[in-house]
Amino acid sequence: NAGVTQTPKFQVLKTGQSMTLQCAQDMNHNSMYWYRQDPGMGLRLIYYSASEGTTDKGEVPNGYNVSRLNKREFSLRLESAAPSQTSVYFCASSETGTYGYTFGSGTRLTVV
Amino acid sequence: AQSVTQLGSHVSVSEGALVLLRCNYSSSVPPYLFWYVQYPNQGLQLLLKYTSAATLVKGINGFEAEFKKSETSFHLTKPSAHMSDAAEYFCAVSEGTSGSRLTFGEGTQLTVNP
Repeated sequence: NAGVTQTPKFQVLKTGQSMTLQCAQDMNHNSMYWYRQDPGMGLRLIYYSASEGTTDKGEVPNGYNVSRLNKREFSLRLESAAPSQTSVYFCASSETGTYGYTFGSGTRLTVV
Repeated sequence: AQSVTQLGSHVSVSEGALVLLRCNYSSSVPPYLFWYVQYPNQGLQLLLKYTSAATLVKGINGFEAEFKKSETSFHLTKPSAHMSDAAEYFCAVSEGTSGSRLTFGEGTQLTVNP
């Protein structure tokens, strides 16, 4: 089925470790996004990529980096994980102009 | 800047009762508005969207929402709740321009009691 695929689904990291969250979409969408979801805070935008080759900071970019590898793939990297980064991370994509997002199923990250 | 306020972080209804989830928005331009639903341990699914056509928007699973510009509201309703409607619901706003991002509300957890 067409959609957004995120890997891994679950991850436990120790403080200071690094990791990359992977996201791929097969809908030929131009725009891709990374959000984090925390209880009582809704979804907050970390980084987004309006089109292949461009990335921009969102609301909460500190401690993260991203790479838009090609039109399909958009990865999120934590260089030195901190407990405050314990969260559920969602990747989403959209076709520029249609304004609706398709979400992945999420990555549940715990930093101890 | 755009923003969304969802009134009530938790709403509880009886099965068969009316569901009303409230959303108010702030936007400097005519907004595009969305409702998403999230079931436990899943991603978000689009329920419905308003993109400046009809003000009453019908979505999946019997939900609908009405855009009221004078009240800056986009409340979500369903005439008769079903147990399967129990989930978290998010309202979101976009400026609607090319590549614009969605800003989400904090979410409303809907509980349906038998």
